[in-house]
Amino acid sequence: TQLLEQSPQFLSIQEGENLTVYCNSSSVFSSLQWYRQEPGEGPVLLVTVVTGGEVKKLKRLTFQFGDARKDSSLHITAAQPGDTGLYLCAGYTGTASKLTFGTGTRLQVTL
Amino acid sequence: EADIYQTPRYLVIGTGKKITLECSQTMGHDKMYWYQQDPGMELHLIHYSYGVNSTEKGDLSSESTVSRIRTEHFPLTLESARPSHTSQYLCASSPQGAIGGYTFGSGTRLTVV
Repeated sequence: TQLLEQSPQFLSIQEGENLTVYCNSSSVFSSLQWYRQEPGEGPVLLVTVVTGGEVKKLKRLTFQFGDARKDSSLHITAAQPGDTGLYLCAGYTGTASKLTFGTGTRLQVTL
Repeated sequence: EADIYQTPRYLVIGTGKKITLECSQTMGHDKMYWYQQDPGMELHLIHYSYGVNSTEKGDLSSESTVSRIRTEHFPLTLESARPSHTSQYLCASSPQGAIGGYTFGSGTRLTVV
């Protein structure tokens, strides 16, 4: 059973459009992270959210942690081709000391 | 500048060969991980370690083995490579605790012919 489901699985948009990626679970997470992975490279950590309802911004990216700490969203404003990649959410649950990764969202931004 | 290094980046090898994928980190992290990933797909944890002489199997069954003799080094070995082992292998490390982010290497792209 996959603890972290991401939607959509694949998203193809044009430069300048806005988009939102969702990360959902039935489990409560003590913290949640978002990573971006470019083709041929390993994932890179973008942000960590810890508190329910927390919102963090990283330039054009806005991350939100759900109030119940079971879900999260990533919103990108005015997407650029450089945003292309695989976006992964990941969280720590209960007493687990290793991350559970989501199913991933592949984003393609074209000119 | 990478703090976690994987070699080789690309490897094409014949069926039945023994291979070792290298992973080293310079951050002093106790925790290290190996993931298998098909292009653009989700990560599958195959092995992890919480410190020297500690290794555990991950969620995805794998015919590979790992060792952790030194904190900084976590090699993965396939005794007899098969075409089904063709994939990308990612190594990662993280500090102690349950909040730290993972630092990933650039991966090894393995093709078994």
